[in-house]
Amino acid sequence: EAQVTQNPRYLITVTGKKLTVTCSQNMNHEYMSWYRQDPGLGLRQIYYSMNVEVTDKGDVPEGYKVSRKEKRNFPLILESPSPNQTSLYFCASSLSWGPLEEQYFGPGTRLTVT
Amino acid sequence: GNSVTQMEGPVTLSEEAFLTINCTYTATGYPSLFWYVQYPGEGLQLLLKATKADDKGSNKGFEATYRKETTSFHLEKGSVQVSDSAVYFCALLVFTTSGTYKYIFGTGTRLKVLA
Repeated sequence: EAQVTQNPRYLITVTGKKLTVTCSQNMNHEYMSWYRQDPGLGLRQIYYSMNVEVTDKGDVPEGYKVSRKEKRNFPLILESPSPNQTSLYFCASSLSWGPLEEQYFGPGTRLTVT
Repeated sequence: GNSVTQMEGPVTLSEEAFLTINCTYTATGYPSLFWYVQYPGEGLQLLLKATKADDKGSNKGFEATYRKETTSFHLEKGSVQVSDSAVYFCALLVFTTSGTYKYIFGTGTRLKVLA
């Protein structure tokens, strides 16, 4: 089944404790992206990647890191989480990047930083 | 700059009522327009799209027409069902000055359909 998977789905952590949220897609998609969803703000892009070893900042990259060492995986790293990073996070992928491309979203990771 | 404005929710309707969710946008160039739907506890999934002026996207009884003159992409459905209860996001895909494509999402409109 074609899908985007994220782990964990739920995470409660404390300020400053490094964490990684994994994202994997099995569709051989080139383009992958991370978003955060906050009430009243919709989805905001954190980072994106157009292919292996090619990543760039989105609208809200502060406090996050990413890597794209393999085509299928695009982990999101929070080196020192803070309470303002409490949010719902979505990973998405698309076959390439262009005006016709549909994004496929993972199920989301709800992160709480205390 | 590029932006999307959606009507605030929640929108509460009775089953079989007519639905309109307004979406207007500001963009340079010629964006593609999308509606995504998010069911409870799930990620977003594409509902419909339109890539040029006057295109009509349609799926599952939902429709939206790309209106360049009014910069709008309103979502409509003639008869909603309880199963349509979800959050609906309007989005545009623009070509940026750095040579990449970028999605811009609206804030989402929650629809609740009562039996």
